[in-house]
Amino acid sequence: QKEVEQNSGPLSVPEGAIASLNCTYSDRGSQSFFWYRQYSGKSPELIMFIYSNGDKEDGRFTAQLNKASQYVSLLIRDSQPSDSATYLCAVVNTGNQFYFGTGTSLTVIP
Amino acid sequence: DADVTQTPRNRITKTGKRIMLECSQTKGHDRMYWYRQDPGLGLRLIYYSFDVKDINKGEISDGYSVSRQAQAKFSLSLESAIPNQTALYFCATSRGGDTDTQYFGPGTRLTVL
Repeated sequence: QKEVEQNSGPLSVPEGAIASLNCTYSDRGSQSFFWYRQYSGKSPELIMFIYSNGDKEDGRFTAQLNKASQYVSLLIRDSQPSDSATYLCAVVNTGNQFYFGTGTSLTVIP
Repeated sequence: DADVTQTPRNRITKTGKRIMLECSQTKGHDRMYWYRQDPGLGLRLIYYSFDVKDINKGEISDGYSVSRQAQAKFSLSLESAIPNQTALYFCATSRGGDTDTQYFGPGTRLTVL
């Protein structure tokens, strides 16, 4: 079983819509969760992190964490063509090791 | 100036050659990491170091070695490159602690012919 799993997509949404990206993790004791955005050929860049159950909002982005279900998601409101990228979920497990998912490719259609 | 730099940015080499990829950081972070990224496989950890005297193997360390020359420098070596080591390589750093976050360098695209 992989430490972190994401649907690879591609996910396509029209401009202005809400994009919903999902991630599950296997280590129930994991405490830290991150979302990175990666444009083609570029390095991953941090969008946001979340440590507590519930929602965390930052501008158009909202991260949601449900530790009981071992599930973390990222919502992008008012999606823009510039949001088209691959989104990587990362988890720090009880061994203090980072694990990345394989990423979900998002395309925002103008 | 970038906080995490990698050299070279692109490299083409032949099977059997020794290759060194270098990473430097000005963030003052103790922790440094080397990843490789392949299409469909995501980021996979090769080696990581939590301080100058600490080196740890990651998920896929076979065929690679590392050197932590200073807090700011972490090098990855391929002693005898093979074609399936063709990939995009990233260095990352983090401060550690409860709110640990990784910051990535620009990447090195390595092609082994």
